[in-house]
Amino acid sequence: AQSVTQPDIHITVSEGASLELRCNYSYGATPYLFWYVQSPGQGLQLLLKYFSGDTLVQGIKGFEAEFKRSQSSFNLRKPSVHWSDAAEYFCAVGKVSGTYKYIFGTGTRLKVLA
Amino acid sequence: EAGVVQSPRYKIIEKKQPVAFWCNPISGHNTLYWYLQNLGQGPELLIRYENEEAVDDSQLPKDRFSAERLKGVDSTLKIQPAELGDSAVYLCASSVEGPNEQFFGPGTRLTVL
Repeated sequence: AQSVTQPDIHITVSEGASLELRCNYSYGATPYLFWYVQSPGQGLQLLLKYFSGDTLVQGIKGFEAEFKRSQSSFNLRKPSVHWSDAAEYFCAVGKVSGTYKYIFGTGTRLKVLA
Repeated sequence: EAGVVQSPRYKIIEKKQPVAFWCNPISGHNTLYWYLQNLGQGPELLIRYENEEAVDDSQLPKDRFSAERLKGVDSTLKIQPAELGDSAVYLCASSVEGPNEQFFGPGTRLTVL
């Protein structure tokens, strides 16, 4: 079935450490890809998006993501995590081959140790 | 710029009662979305509007759920009657057009007793 998969339900990192959150999609064509962050009691906020072109995209709050077609992945990275990055992160698909999808992954909850 | 506004923020009702959620999108955003988010899960699209037209309501349980977007601005999502399994957070989002960045409201947390 077509889907968006986030293999890690929970991730814990120390403040200052690097971070990588995984996202895989199972669509034949390259979809529009997004990463959103949701803090407790808050709505989702867009971190970055990929539609086409340069496969390394920069986002807000120091995040970046790399699209890898061969691996059907769109992993989110940050070189140095801050305590305020503790939140839930969602990968999402917005469009595949001209068809709008709006499918979200199940999320990865990030915990940051001081 | 004001964000997406949703009300109420919290709602507790007895099963079989009706409930309604209201959403005011960002000014100028033609596309409006309603999502359901269960605990520990990602949002699931219920319905998408392009202006006044519901262009994707394939995931909306039409036996008990209904939605409207009069004049292409505010929208209301209704459940009648509510069931225990409807307890979740209902998110509203808007975007300028198409699969672009969506701006989300804070959501309405529904508890059905």
